[in-house]
Amino acid sequence: SQTIHQWPATLVQPVGSPLSLECTVEGTSNPNLYWYRQAAGRGLQLLFYSVGIGQISSEVPQNLSASRPQDRQFILSSKKLLLSDSGFYLCAWRSGGSEAFFGQGTRLTVV
Amino acid sequence: SQQGEEDPQALSIQEGENATMNCSYKTSINNLQWYRQNSGRGLVHLILIRSNEREKHSGRLRVTLDTSKKSSSLLITASRAADTASYFCATEPLNFNKFYFGSGTKLNVKP
Repeated sequence: SQTIHQWPATLVQPVGSPLSLECTVEGTSNPNLYWYRQAAGRGLQLLFYSVGIGQISSEVPQNLSASRPQDRQFILSSKKLLLSDSGFYLCAWRSGGSEAFFGQGTRLTVV
Repeated sequence: SQQGEEDPQALSIQEGENATMNCSYKTSINNLQWYRQNSGRGLVHLILIRSNEREKHSGRLRVTLDTSKKSSSLLITASRAADTASYFCATEPLNFNKFYFGSGTKLNVKP
């Protein structure tokens, strides 16, 4: 069966520090991969999505970047975190036009 | 939001009552999905309805889709305290591999 792993679960980082969040999927090939951010009590904002290795589409201009070095690995990064980068980050995968499967999320607090 | 809105933003009902949540979106879609999120956790897929479908059922869930009005509704019948969660709709625009979430409805079912 397919599983998605996202880590860490929580992270507290100082302003100006780098960020790397990793998401890996098992049990499927060539999935579409997504990064979302959720502010407290709000909906999910699509940040990046990828339909294949090295293919990244950015939805909104921001301080973050994404990479897909392997078929089932999706990484969210920042060189210098801002206070406004705080939030709940969710990784998801799906195949074709089916439902999406989400990781358990990373709660990032920038201090 | 990037694509749609849900209403109401919050809904409080007694156990056994029905809960109805609405979702409106902006552009033509391939499909619409409903997800559930327990506090501070990842999202769980509930039901997917394609643009050529008008109604779909899954257990106590009933989803309708009106593409002419660009709206959908989720009905939870005979609600239980365990249904307490936030509910989100997500839409996949035509010819895209991405999907956008609404702002969510926070449902509280009182025992």
